[in-house]
Amino acid sequence: DTEVTQTPKHLVMGMTNKKSLKCEQHMGHRAMYWYKQKAKKPPELMFVYSYEKLSINESVPSRFSPECPNSSLLNLHLHALQPEDSALYLCASSQVAGPYNEQFFGPGTRLTVL
Amino acid sequence: GNSVTQMEGPVTLSEEAFLTINCTYTATGYPSLFWYVQYPGEGLQLLLKATKADDKGSNKGFEATYRKETTSFHLEKGSVQVSDSAVYFCALIGGSNYKLTFGKGTLLTVNP
Repeated sequence: DTEVTQTPKHLVMGMTNKKSLKCEQHMGHRAMYWYKQKAKKPPELMFVYSYEKLSINESVPSRFSPECPNSSLLNLHLHALQPEDSALYLCASSQVAGPYNEQFFGPGTRLTVL
Repeated sequence: GNSVTQMEGPVTLSEEAFLTINCTYTATGYPSLFWYVQYPGEGLQLLLKATKADDKGSNKGFEATYRKETTSFHLEKGSVQVSDSAVYFCALIGGSNYKLTFGKGTLLTVNP
């Protein structure tokens, strides 16, 4: 099983809402990632978790709050977002965080902030 | 820092044409190189990879060879199909930084 799953597929939220994105993998990977992708652009790294600990935060605003409850699950909690946060949010995983380990991506959650 | 430069798109080809998408990179040390493909409305799929000089990655008829002397990793396919229409991203992970660095992406459209 080389699949990363993400829910929901689509999400529309207002600027005062609180919502969460979920990501799951059952490949035994110990590194998980959140990326943000705007239209016609490459993905931009937001967070890296390694062995369930946050190891990289790419200066992401605090209205995005990641959580890694266990080695298979990764959440992204959203609060007080802005319309410019509308994007495709991609989760990825790799065996470990390192230069020789390819990252496997999920299908993404398309987020629209009204 | 690390960087990836891909040929600008869009690229439009007829079915069964030969495809080349150029990719060059700048990185410290010996990076691993990847090609990802993104079909419309979907996430990224790993297409192929190479982790050392002269390695050739291949998958689904696509190939790319890690050329350290020219710092390149060009993607090729001998005969494209309509189903290959997608955005292709060249990417690397280099040195002690395990962050994926992407090129800007190349949109490929294959017409019947």
